[in-house]
Amino acid sequence: TQLLEQSPQFLSIQEGENLTVYCNSSSVFSSLQWYRQEPGEGPVLLVTVVTGGEVKKLKRLTFQFGDARKDSSLHITAAQPGDTGLYLCAGMRRSNDYKLSFGAGTTVTVRA
Amino acid sequence: EPEVTQTPSHQVTQMGQEVILRCVPISNHLYFYWYRQILGQKVEFLVSFYNNEISEKSEIFDDQFSVERPDGSNFTLKIRSTKLEDSAMYFCASSRGWETQYFGPGTRLLVL
Repeated sequence: TQLLEQSPQFLSIQEGENLTVYCNSSSVFSSLQWYRQEPGEGPVLLVTVVTGGEVKKLKRLTFQFGDARKDSSLHITAAQPGDTGLYLCAGMRRSNDYKLSFGAGTTVTVRA
Repeated sequence: EPEVTQTPSHQVTQMGQEVILRCVPISNHLYFYWYRQILGQKVEFLVSFYNNEISEKSEIFDDQFSVERPDGSNFTLKIRSTKLEDSAMYFCASSRGWETQYFGPGTRLLVL
Protein backbone atom coordinates (compact mmCIF):
# COMPACT_ATOMS: atom_id res chain seq x y z
CA THR A 1 0.00 0.00 0.00
CA GLN A 2 1.33 3.40 -1.05
CA LEU A 3 1.28 5.59 2.05
CA LEU A 4 2.06 8.75 0.07
CA GLU A 5 0.94 9.08 -3.52
CA GLN A 6 2.61 11.70 -5.66
CA SER A 7 1.16 13.02 -8.89
CA PRO A 8 1.91 13.41 -11.62
CA GLN A 9 4.79 10.94 -11.95
CA PHE A 10 6.35 12.99 -14.76
CA LEU A 11 5.87 16.63 -15.72
CA SER A 12 7.44 18.43 -18.66
CA ILE A 13 6.81 22.13 -19.16
CA GLN A 14 8.22 25.12 -20.98
CA GLU A 15 10.35 27.70 -19.18
CA GLY A 16 8.17 30.40 -17.68
CA GLU A 17 5.14 28.19 -17.10
CA ASN A 18 3.75 27.30 -13.70
CA LEU A 19 3.46 23.80 -12.29
CA THR A 20 1.95 22.04 -9.30
CA VAL A 21 2.97 18.70 -7.80
CA TYR A 22 0.67 16.87 -5.42
CA CYS A 23 1.30 14.56 -2.48
CA ASN A 24 -1.75 12.74 -1.13
CA SER A 25 -2.51 10.19 1.54
CA SER A 26 -5.42 8.73 3.46
CA SER A 27 -3.29 9.02 6.61
CA VAL A 28 -2.68 12.02 8.83
CA PHE A 29 0.91 13.20 9.17
CA SER A 30 2.46 15.12 12.04
CA SER A 31 4.90 16.68 9.58
CA LEU A 32 5.65 16.57 5.92
CA GLN A 33 8.85 17.40 4.12
CA TRP A 34 9.64 18.17 0.52
CA TYR A 35 13.00 17.21 -0.93
CA ARG A 36 14.67 17.54 -4.28
CA GLN A 37 16.94 14.75 -5.47
CA GLU A 38 19.43 14.83 -8.33
CA PRO A 39 20.50 11.54 -9.98
CA GLY A 40 23.02 9.66 -7.82
CA GLU A 41 22.74 12.13 -4.94
CA GLY A 42 20.93 12.38 -1.64
CA PRO A 43 17.61 14.16 -1.08
CA VAL A 44 18.10 17.86 -0.37
CA LEU A 45 15.58 19.42 1.99
CA LEU A 46 13.37 22.16 0.58
CA VAL A 47 10.83 22.69 3.35
CA THR A 48 9.09 21.16 6.38
CA VAL A 49 5.42 21.80 7.10
CA VAL A 50 3.80 20.83 10.38
CA THR A 51 0.57 22.81 10.79
CA GLY A 52 -2.64 22.06 8.90
CA GLY A 53 -3.28 24.79 6.33
CA GLU A 54 0.29 26.04 6.54
CA VAL A 55 1.74 27.79 3.49
CA LYS A 56 5.47 28.32 3.07
CA LYS A 57 7.24 30.16 0.29
CA LEU A 58 10.78 29.62 -0.89
CA LYS A 59 11.45 32.13 -3.69
CA ARG A 60 9.31 30.84 -6.60
CA LEU A 61 8.26 27.69 -4.74
CA THR A 62 5.08 27.62 -2.64
CA PHE A 63 4.33 24.69 -0.36
CA GLN A 64 0.97 24.02 1.22
CA PHE A 65 -0.04 21.50 3.87
CA GLY A 66 -3.68 20.46 3.75
CA ASP A 67 -6.02 21.45 6.57
CA ALA A 68 -6.42 17.82 7.59
CA ARG A 69 -2.66 17.18 7.30
CA LYS A 70 -3.24 14.39 4.79
CA ASP A 71 -1.99 16.11 1.67
CA SER A 72 0.42 18.71 0.41
CA SER A 73 1.27 20.55 -2.78
CA LEU A 74 4.30 22.19 -4.30
CA HIS A 75 3.70 25.01 -6.75
CA ILE A 76 6.49 26.50 -8.85
CA THR A 77 5.89 29.86 -10.48
CA ALA A 78 7.65 30.81 -13.71
CA ALA A 79 9.67 27.59 -13.83
CA GLN A 80 13.27 27.72 -14.97
CA PRO A 81 15.51 24.96 -16.40
CA GLY A 82 17.32 24.94 -13.05
CA ASP A 83 14.12 23.65 -11.44
CA THR A 84 14.50 20.38 -13.34
CA GLY A 85 14.79 17.46 -10.94
CA LEU A 86 13.02 14.80 -8.89
CA TYR A 87 10.75 16.21 -6.19
CA LEU A 88 9.97 13.96 -3.24
CA CYS A 89 7.49 14.34 -0.45
CA ALA A 90 8.08 12.48 2.80
CA GLY A 91 5.87 12.32 5.85
CA MET A 92 6.14 11.41 9.48
CA ARG A 93 3.05 9.75 10.91
CA ARG A 94 3.56 10.67 14.56
CA SER A 95 5.83 13.03 16.36
CA ASN A 96 7.34 10.13 18.31
CA ASP A 97 7.75 8.01 15.19
CA TYR A 98 10.86 9.29 13.56
CA LYS A 99 10.79 7.36 10.33
CA LEU A 100 9.96 9.15 7.11
CA SER A 101 7.73 7.51 4.52
CA PHE A 102 8.58 8.71 1.05
CA GLY A 103 6.46 9.14 -2.03
CA ALA A 104 7.72 7.79 -5.34
CA GLY A 105 8.52 11.30 -6.57
CA THR A 106 7.64 13.58 -9.45
CA THR A 107 10.22 14.09 -12.18
CA VAL A 108 10.01 17.67 -13.40
CA THR A 109 11.62 18.74 -16.66
CA VAL A 110 11.67 22.42 -17.58
CA ARG A 111 12.54 23.02 -21.24
CA ALA A 112 14.39 26.18 -22.20
CA GLU B 1 26.25 25.28 6.31
CA PRO B 2 26.70 22.01 8.24
CA GLU B 3 25.94 18.87 6.28
CA VAL B 4 25.86 15.12 6.64
CA THR B 5 28.82 13.38 5.02
CA GLN B 6 29.15 9.74 3.98
CA THR B 7 32.02 7.49 2.98
CA PRO B 8 32.75 5.79 0.72
CA SER B 9 30.77 7.27 -2.14
CA HIS B 10 30.90 3.93 -3.96
CA GLN B 11 31.52 0.40 -2.68
CA VAL B 12 31.75 -2.77 -4.74
CA THR B 13 31.80 -6.06 -2.85
CA GLN B 14 31.40 -9.77 -3.41
CA MET B 15 28.29 -11.55 -2.18
CA GLY B 16 28.79 -12.84 1.35
CA GLN B 17 31.34 -10.18 2.29
CA GLU B 18 30.87 -7.70 5.12
CA VAL B 19 30.64 -3.98 4.40
CA ILE B 20 30.66 -0.98 6.69
CA LEU B 21 29.16 2.27 5.52
CA ARG B 22 30.19 5.37 7.38
CA CYS B 23 28.41 8.62 8.14
CA VAL B 24 29.25 11.79 9.99
CA PRO B 25 25.97 13.41 11.05
CA ILE B 26 25.54 17.14 11.65
CA SER B 27 27.37 17.86 14.89
CA ASN B 28 24.55 19.07 17.17
CA HIS B 29 22.02 16.51 15.97
CA LEU B 30 20.72 13.83 18.29
CA TYR B 31 18.84 11.44 16.01
CA PHE B 32 20.42 9.37 13.28
CA TYR B 33 18.94 7.27 10.51
CA TRP B 34 19.74 4.98 7.64
CA TYR B 35 17.60 4.74 4.52
CA ARG B 36 18.15 2.92 1.29
CA GLN B 37 17.00 3.39 -2.28
CA ILE B 38 17.10 0.53 -4.73
CA LEU B 39 17.57 1.77 -8.28
CA GLY B 40 14.29 3.12 -9.65
CA GLN B 41 12.43 2.66 -6.37
CA LYS B 42 11.36 4.80 -3.42
CA VAL B 43 13.57 5.78 -0.54
CA GLU B 44 12.92 3.26 2.26
CA PHE B 45 13.50 3.62 6.00
CA LEU B 46 15.90 1.13 7.59
CA VAL B 47 16.62 2.23 11.15
CA SER B 48 16.59 5.15 13.56
CA PHE B 49 19.06 5.60 16.42
CA TYR B 50 18.92 7.79 19.49
CA ASN B 51 20.76 7.88 22.77
CA ASN B 52 23.04 5.04 21.69
CA GLU B 53 20.31 2.61 20.88
CA ILE B 54 17.99 1.68 18.05
CA SER B 55 14.65 3.43 18.46
CA GLU B 56 12.92 1.87 15.48
CA LYS B 57 13.76 -0.47 12.63
CA SER B 58 11.94 -1.65 9.54
CA GLU B 59 11.38 -5.25 8.47
CA ILE B 60 14.24 -4.78 6.00
CA PHE B 61 16.66 -4.30 8.89
CA ASP B 62 17.17 -7.96 9.76
CA ASP B 63 19.96 -9.68 11.68
CA GLN B 64 22.40 -9.06 8.83
CA PHE B 65 22.31 -5.33 9.59
CA SER B 66 23.69 -3.47 12.57
CA VAL B 67 24.37 0.14 13.46
CA GLU B 68 26.87 1.70 15.77
CA ARG B 69 28.02 5.08 16.97
CA PRO B 70 31.61 4.17 17.83
CA ASP B 71 32.62 7.68 18.86
CA GLY B 72 31.16 11.15 19.15
CA SER B 73 31.05 11.83 15.46
CA ASN B 74 30.63 8.68 13.36
CA PHE B 75 27.55 6.58 12.72
CA THR B 76 28.00 3.30 10.87
CA LEU B 77 25.85 0.73 9.12
CA LYS B 78 27.28 -2.79 8.88
CA ILE B 79 25.96 -5.46 6.59
CA ARG B 80 27.41 -8.75 7.79
CA SER B 81 26.99 -11.00 4.76
CA THR B 82 25.91 -9.06 1.71
CA LYS B 83 23.36 -10.38 -0.75
CA LEU B 84 22.77 -9.36 -4.34
CA GLU B 85 19.55 -7.62 -3.31
CA ASP B 86 21.46 -5.36 -0.91
CA SER B 87 22.69 -3.40 -3.93
CA ALA B 88 21.29 0.10 -3.48
CA MET B 89 22.06 3.68 -2.52
CA TYR B 90 22.34 3.95 1.24
CA PHE B 91 21.57 7.33 2.77
CA CYS B 92 22.42 8.48 6.25
CA ALA B 93 20.31 11.24 7.78
CA SER B 94 20.30 13.16 11.02
CA SER B 95 17.97 15.49 12.88
CA ARG B 96 18.08 17.67 15.93
CA GLY B 97 14.50 16.92 16.89
CA TRP B 98 11.59 15.12 15.38
CA GLU B 99 10.65 17.52 12.60
CA THR B 100 13.31 17.73 9.94
CA GLN B 101 15.84 15.18 8.69
CA TYR B 102 18.89 16.12 6.66
CA PHE B 103 20.33 13.57 4.27
CA GLY B 104 23.86 12.79 3.23
CA PRO B 105 24.97 12.29 -0.39
CA GLY B 106 24.72 8.50 -0.14
CA THR B 107 26.91 5.45 -0.66
CA ARG B 108 26.27 3.42 -3.77
CA LEU B 109 26.70 -0.26 -2.85
CA LEU B 110 27.04 -2.85 -5.58
CA VAL B 111 27.08 -6.52 -4.57
CA LEU B 112 28.42 -8.89 -7.20
